[in-house]
This record gives sequence, structure tokens and C-alpha cells, in this order.
Amino acid sequence: DAGVIQSPRHEVTEMGQEVTLRCKPISGHDYLFWYRQTMMRGLELLIYFNNNVPIDDSGMPEDRFSAKMPNASFSTLKIQPSEPRDSAVYFCASSPWTGSGELFFGEGSRLTVL
Amino acid sequence: DQQVKQNSPSLSVQEGRISILNCDYTNSMFDYFLWYKKYPAEGPTFLISISSIKDKNEDGRFTVFLNKSAKHLSLHIVPSQPGDSAVYFCAANSGGGADGLTFGKGTHLIIQP
Repeated sequence: DAGVIQSPRHEVTEMGQEVTLRCKPISGHDYLFWYRQTMMRGLELLIYFNNNVPIDDSGMPEDRFSAKMPNASFSTLKIQPSEPRDSAVYFCASSPWTGSGELFFGEGSRLTVL
Repeated sequence: DQQVKQNSPSLSVQEGRISILNCDYTNSMFDYFLWYKKYPAEGPTFLISISSIKDKNEDGRFTVFLNKSAKHLSLHIVPSQPGDSAVYFCAANSGGGADGLTFGKGTHLIIQP
């Protein structure tokens, strides 16, 4: 079975440019999460969806960040305009509902903003 | 305010010996604790979990211990193998897991031959 698929794996862009990260969750998983990993802050939850509906976006750092989930098999995380401090690895994860809350992660998108 | 803390950024252990990774938490509402393993350029993968109503869970070479009174959990790997070299994240959730996991910053485990 295919796991969570993220694209692009690597993105290098210049400050001020728009960045769009994409995620295809595991089929049948009702929950989708976007995390950001940095050295300073570790893995931070940015936003999560349940049945394509955003439930909690309190982790989104600024209005420059937005996320959508137009259908059950696709989500995007957009940064506009991008800044050097946005450089990080962005992970998408999906999950069926389970008591333990186990998440299945994609391989991540490494973003570098120059 | 970090609710899940892993105070050792790195740990070096000799192959064949026991690796013990530690994690502390502050939120008494957490009801599940999980350990994830991460190799470079890959996403974190689930390793083992424990419910807050238990104090031990074992899966092969991996055992997780939970001390609720101390708000502390640990992951034991016995015996340690070269393939265990990775970053290990402690994570926790509350509310049945529907609102995501709170992660520690990770411990880089290095298994030396």
C-alpha cells in the first residue's frame, strides 16, 4: 500500500516567492496533519483536518501560511510570501481514528528560502 | 512551554548493550504515549506506544516504561543494533488522539560497533 506522498521533496526559493507543498494522504484516513520540523523547535503541529475540514490551525505561525484540503486525497500548504525563517522540513501525516493517535508520516518536504 | 521534553539531544551506546531513552511530560491529561524513529531524509515511523493506564509495554527488543507519578517514560532497546542508530521522538496525545501528537525535540541515538 502506498504511504503518505509529499511533493516536492526539496524546494529552494528566494525570499518573497510563493511556495506550495502538496500531500496525498493514505486512502481511508480521516485525519490529515501538517507538521514543521526545525532544530530549534522540533516537530510542531501547524494545522489538522478531519474529513477535509480544518479543525485547528492555531499552530500556523502567521497569516502568510494557509492550508487547504479540497478533497479526501489531496492537501496543500502554502506560504506567501516566503521568508528565510520559514526554512524547515514540512511533514504531512495522516491517520485513521485510533485511541493511540498513531500518525503515518510522509517523507517530508525540505524548504530552503534564500 | 514544552509539554514533552527529551533532555538528551544525543546518546551513544555500544552495540549489544542496552539503550535507554528518556522523556518527561507536564500535561497530566495525556492518555497515550508513543515513540517514533526517524532516519535522515525520511519521515518519522511509529515504533511503540503505551496507554496511560499501563506501566509497561513490550515489543521484541523494545520496551516502554511509564511512571505516571513522575510524569516520565523511557524506551529501552535490548540489545542495541547498528540499525537502531536514528533520532527517536517521544510523543503524547490526549482526547483519544483526534487532535494530533505533541512531540519532544528528539534524541539522536548512535550505536557504536
